[in-house]
Amino acid sequence: GENVEQHPSTLSVQEGDSAVIKCTYSDSASNYFPWYKQELGKRPQLIIDIRSNVGEKKDQRIAVTLNKTAKHFSLHITETQPEDSAVYFCAASPYGQNFVFGPGTRLSVLP
Amino acid sequence: DTAVSQTPKYLVTQMGNDKSIKCEQNLGHDTMYWYKQDSKKFLKIMFSYNNKELIINETVPNRFSPKSPDKAHLNLHINSLELGDSAVYFCASGTSSNEQFFGPGTRLTVL
Repeated sequence: GENVEQHPSTLSVQEGDSAVIKCTYSDSASNYFPWYKQELGKRPQLIIDIRSNVGEKKDQRIAVTLNKTAKHFSLHITETQPEDSAVYFCAASPYGQNFVFGPGTRLSVLP
Repeated sequence: DTAVSQTPKYLVTQMGNDKSIKCEQNLGHDTMYWYKQDSKKFLKIMFSYNNKELIINETVPNRFSPKSPDKAHLNLHINSLELGDSAVYFCASGTSSNEQFFGPGTRLTVL
């Protein structure tokens, strides 16, 4: 089955700097890769996703890149703000199958 | 206009009891899910339901049983609760293109 690894487990950046979180997956059949943000005590919220027919996707300060050959994908947050502080989860899924989540990255944006 | 709702938000109970968590979605999605998030924040799929039929059942104890009275509801019943069942349980609903949206979570504490 699918296995998703995520690094780093914790990440601290200064406000205004960029943050990068990387994930690797094992199942070449996976073709959908969402990223979720979970604030303390709240639900995971979908912030961006990418499908295997796309190499990069951007939404304002957030971007995701996918390298299918190497089986890894990354989340990039630019101009970080204190409200970006949260736990971020990546996931991988073959179409129509269950998500397998990474273990999460706790991002702290320091003012 | 809550898209995915769960009740109760908190549930404290004794070992050996039977409890239920309710989930409702008003998004018109065909698929609903239950996830368990343990104290280390790992998110793991437990069940998914599509059009009232269980389509994927992960290896969870048979003390856990999902029940779907209609497409908009997926309830989780847990029999003979154990200490290790303490966690946050999230319901989610999913689109045909695999996007998933989470409910607010139910924090279950077994004493």
